[in-house]
Amino acid sequence: NAGVMQNPRHLVRRRGQEARLRCSPMKGHSHVYWYRQLPEEGLKFMVYLQKENIIDESGMPKERFSAEFPKEGPSILRIQQVVRGDSAAYFCASSARRTESQKNIQYFGAGTRLSVL
Amino acid sequence: AQKITQTQPGMFVQEKEAVTLDCTYDTSDPSYGLFWYKQPSSGEMIFLIYQGSYDQQNATEGRYSLNFQKARKSANLVISASQLGDSAMYFCAMREGNGGYNKLIFGAGTRLAVHP
Repeated sequence: NAGVMQNPRHLVRRRGQEARLRCSPMKGHSHVYWYRQLPEEGLKFMVYLQKENIIDESGMPKERFSAEFPKEGPSILRIQQVVRGDSAAYFCASSARRTESQKNIQYFGAGTRLSVL
Repeated sequence: AQKITQTQPGMFVQEKEAVTLDCTYDTSDPSYGLFWYKQPSSGEMIFLIYQGSYDQQNATEGRYSLNFQKARKSANLVISASQLGDSAMYFCAMREGNGGYNKLIFGAGTRLAVHP
């Protein structure tokens, strides 16, 4: 009965390095969302993916950020050439296939705390 | 314009008392969903309760209930019989549209402290 799994929980990078954040959705869930949370703020949507497809990336910065959700394996959020402003908590959420219910609740992982030195 | 407004940065409540956390929202979409999440100091986001725009009754989940006033566009969370473990950040969120696949828009959160 595993929930949404994110790793690593904490990630430290120096400016200019790459950060790779991984997310495995709940069993049976095929939709993945990434959100970013700055200190003392609410979560901000970044990107929504289904298997092998990016559905909505309206919240993703235009440069350095990319996301994928391959046919096999976890979803990956990649940040290239990190800067101090990228320091934040990054959350992944998953939801199930479309159902008759309007609910389609997004269940969140524990997040990855990225610190850029 | 703010889509989700939580006007209470911090709230205090005595253990075993009830507390209401405010949330107002703004949307022109007739179909939407409203959510509350809890974020304890450990950092994870825990789903608490959901209210659909077409739901006739207020949602309830154990000690959590949602006071949904559609005309006023408010979706306040009521926690009854507060416990020390309820101390956390609470976020209200909205999903616009039907089908369930749209992004969540979060408020800034309310920090709740439960005193013994």
